[in-house]
Amino acid sequence: GQNIDQPTEMTATEGAIVQINCTYQTSGFNGLFWYQQHAGEAPTFLSYNVLDGLEEKGRFSSFLSRSKGYSYLLLKELQMKDSASYLCAVRPQGNNAGNMLTFGGGTRLMVKP
Amino acid sequence: GAVVSQHPSWVICKSGTSVKIECRSLDFQATTMFWYRQFPKKSLMLMATSNEGSKATYEQGVEKDKFLINHASLTLSTLTVTSAHPEDSSFYICSARDKLAGSGIAKNIQYFGAGTRLSVL
Repeated sequence: GQNIDQPTEMTATEGAIVQINCTYQTSGFNGLFWYQQHAGEAPTFLSYNVLDGLEEKGRFSSFLSRSKGYSYLLLKELQMKDSASYLCAVRPQGNNAGNMLTFGGGTRLMVKP
Repeated sequence: GAVVSQHPSWVICKSGTSVKIECRSLDFQATTMFWYRQFPKKSLMLMATSNEGSKATYEQGVEKDKFLINHASLTLSTLTVTSAHPEDSSFYICSARDKLAGSGIAKNIQYFGAGTRLSVL
């Protein structure tokens, strides 16, 4: 089966740094995605990791450790607009569904002034 | 970037009626599209995978006769909620992958529609 865990809610202060963790136990692994979703809107792609290590993209970075089944999304210089849900999703290996994704429960991040 | 258009964005219907939701890839071709359901403050639950020109693949627990999926072209998939009931009220989101995205990250990204909020009275 597929099991993806991430904290339900987090709160951080504007200008600070926050790390959102995601652990997964899936039947195979073929990449991990992070999406941002504002309430009532479509999820938007943030990052994709398939190899171990850190991927940096502006204020956002994502880390992956396949041996530990662990990833984190790091947000720097937090802005109020970063208040959103952050979804961790894994693409299991070997499925015939054309890159089906399994999502974690999402982490609601609230950025306070 | 790739754009997925989903319509309608909000629909209210009476119990027992059927509702069709459209998902279109506007500037790319999508061999495969995905339909998700999302409850308030919850994450996305995959309902089915829509394959162009063939039958959809449904996840366990999803009634295929209840949620009819048609993927007639490379740019359009539809989800019809048949004989809708109040428990079907939810946020439905589609996503698509660019068939011609080539190699690397781009081919793995799913692009999401804005979602359809269904309220069944």
